[in-house]
Amino acid sequence: GNSVTQMEGPVTLSEEAFLTINCTYTATGYPSLFWYVQYPGEGLQLLLKATKADDKGSNKGFEATYRKETTSFHLEKGSVQVSDSAVYFCAEGTYKYIFGTGTRLKVLA
Amino acid sequence: DAGVIQSPRHEVTEMGQEVTLRCKPISGHDYLFWYRQTMMRGLELLIYFNNNVPIDDSGMPEDRFSAKMPNASFSTLKIQPSEPRDSAVYFCASSFSAGSTYEQYFGPGTRLTVT
Repeated sequence: GNSVTQMEGPVTLSEEAFLTINCTYTATGYPSLFWYVQYPGEGLQLLLKATKADDKGSNKGFEATYRKETTSFHLEKGSVQVSDSAVYFCAEGTYKYIFGTGTRLKVLA
Repeated sequence: DAGVIQSPRHEVTEMGQEVTLRCKPISGHDYLFWYRQTMMRGLELLIYFNNNVPIDDSGMPEDRFSAKMPNASFSTLKIQPSEPRDSAVYFCASSFSAGSTYEQYFGPGTRLTVT
C-alpha cells in the first residue's frame, strides 16, 4: 500500500531559526498533498495543501512545494516562533488520506 | 460554522463497560472519518462513511468496536466491552467531496481512559 514518510522528531530549534521537515510519499499519479498541525490537546488543523505538481502551498509563513520528480512535499519556514511548537503531519490522498507519523517541533525562546 | 463537534471531550471508564463516542460533522459534508491516536501507533484510520454508508472498516481493531451513522449529521463509535488498551484519543473528521482536494476537518477529539 501507499505510505508517507516523515523525518523523525523531535526537532528542537531556537526562535527565528529556519525550519525544514522532510516528507516523501509513494503514491503514483497525482494525489493531493497536505500538511496538518496539531497543537497540544487539540485536533489536527489543515496548515497548507497542494493539488498538482509544482504547486506551492503556503500559510502562516509556512511553505511546501509539490515535487513530483522526487515525490516530496517538504515543509519550510524561514523564521520559527515559540508558538509554532506543535506536531506536524504530512498526508497524501483524495477522499481518504495516508498520514505520516508526525514530527514534533519544539521552538525555544 | 461550528466545525466538527465531538462529545464527550473526556471519558474515564472501567474495563468491561460500554463506551459511546459521538460526532457531529460539518453541515453539508458527505464523508466522515473516525481515527484513533496513541503514542505507540500514531494516527490510525478506523472507519469512514460516505453519504452515511460505511465504506471501509478495515481499520477497526476488533469486533468490540462498532460505528454507525444514522443520518448525515450524527455518528457514533461504540466500544463494548472496553479494555485498558483502548485508551487513546479518538478523532472524528469530515470532508466535502465536491471540492477538489477533499480537505478533512477534524474535531477536538475525545480522550478515552479505560482503567
